[in-house]
Amino acid sequence: DAGVTQSPTHLIKTRGQQVTLRCSPKSGHDTVSWYQQALGQGPQFIFQYYEEEERQRGNFPDRFSGHQFPNYSSELNVNALLLGDSALYLCASSLGPSSYNSPLHFGNGTRLTVT
Amino acid sequence: AQSVAQPEDQVNVAEGNPLTVKCTYSVSGNPYLFWYVQYPNRGLQFLLKYITGDNLVKGSYGFEAEFNKSQTSFHLKKPSALVSDSALYFCAVRDGGNAGNMLTFGGGTRLMVKP
Repeated sequence: DAGVTQSPTHLIKTRGQQVTLRCSPKSGHDTVSWYQQALGQGPQFIFQYYEEEERQRGNFPDRFSGHQFPNYSSELNVNALLLGDSALYLCASSLGPSSYNSPLHFGNGTRLTVT
Repeated sequence: AQSVAQPEDQVNVAEGNPLTVKCTYSVSGNPYLFWYVQYPNRGLQFLLKYITGDNLVKGSYGFEAEFNKSQTSFHLKKPSALVSDSALYFCAVRDGGNAGNMLTFGGGTRLMVKP
């Protein structure tokens, strides 16, 4: 039973560029959330996708956008990259957008470095 | 708004001794509380959760946590620490009164277990 898979594992981009990160949820899960974890900090919620729509959004600018596909996989896009966007980006999946009985399952993350 | 505080950046304990990692929270509705562990270059792994019921919840790898409503705390405990428990631990809260399963994480506590 495959867990949450994310690609790529590492990425180096230059300021001003755009980046796309990908996530496949755990088998049986239909909801995907994205978190940003800066070095030495806890993860911060970016947004959640369910039924191919953004359901919740954290305090992140519009430069951060996403998409969910019919197979429940998801992409996170970041435009006009800033140095401060350097972080570990974590994808988490669950069954349903609000079920408390379905804890989030996290992938190993994508390490983004912006130079 | 919801928030989590982990007052200790690092906890040091000798192998075989009991360990406690502290967490306090603030949420307007009923708290749903979680503990996750993160090993180097990995995503977060779910340890345990409190939704309702008994204040003492048991989780993976021998960990348990005690919910204290009056003190708004959810401390993580283990009776006998192992060197392999050394990792970064995150407490997280979700407001049970809100739709969506957005988690707010604390800043993390590094647990060091010495032989």
